[in-house]
Amino acid sequence: SQQGEEDPQALSIQEGENATMNCSYKTSINNLQWYRQNSGRGLVHLILIRSNEREKHSGRLRVTLDTSKKSSSLLITASRAADTASYFCATLRTGNQFYFGTGTSLTVIP
Amino acid sequence: DARVTQTPRDKVTEMGQEVTMRCQPILGHNTVFWYRQTMMQGLELLAYFRNRAPLDDSGMPKDRFSAEMPDATLATLKIQPSEPRDSAVYFCASGLVEDGRSSYNEQFFGPGTRLTVL
Repeated sequence: SQQGEEDPQALSIQEGENATMNCSYKTSINNLQWYRQNSGRGLVHLILIRSNEREKHSGRLRVTLDTSKKSSSLLITASRAADTASYFCATLRTGNQFYFGTGTSLTVIP
Repeated sequence: DARVTQTPRDKVTEMGQEVTMRCQPILGHNTVFWYRQTMMQGLELLAYFRNRAPLDDSGMPKDRFSAEMPDATLATLKIQPSEPRDSAVYFCASGLVEDGRSSYNEQFFGPGTRLTVL
């Protein structure tokens, strides 16, 4: 069962626009990770943010974490057609339990 | 270019048959994970190993599923007997964890085995 829920389920934007997707979770976490999955492929790790961090950047990616609201957001700036994929958040809960969310399907239109 | 490899990439079998999926983790990685992905359930963790020892297989149906690591370069997931509801994509992932640290840092995923049970 999933413990992370992504929102929206699907997102379609024009190339060059920013894409924002959100993840909510239910219990205390040690860290939260974002992964990307291209159609028919395995997942690729994008970024990890620890529970004591509030924001992290990696290239065109910006991740925020609000532990009081039990939520995280992933921002992709200046999107490209190659960013078209599904994006998942994954949470490491206390007790070493690990769950993936339901995913956001992002389509970037050239 | 180190990658996790999985075989077979596709498997079609009939209900009741045994299915064995294999995974070769990235050389030097000490954690291995098995996941199952379906449209209905999403991505579920089935089992994970650290230094070849099973640490958590609570997500795996015990009556028909078994996971092993015969050696550091091979992880297997077996289903016996298989059922149509086992149809899914099965992913293996590996990672490197230092002693005393959490097992759940960056994971490197294989391409998956698409299993269809008729």
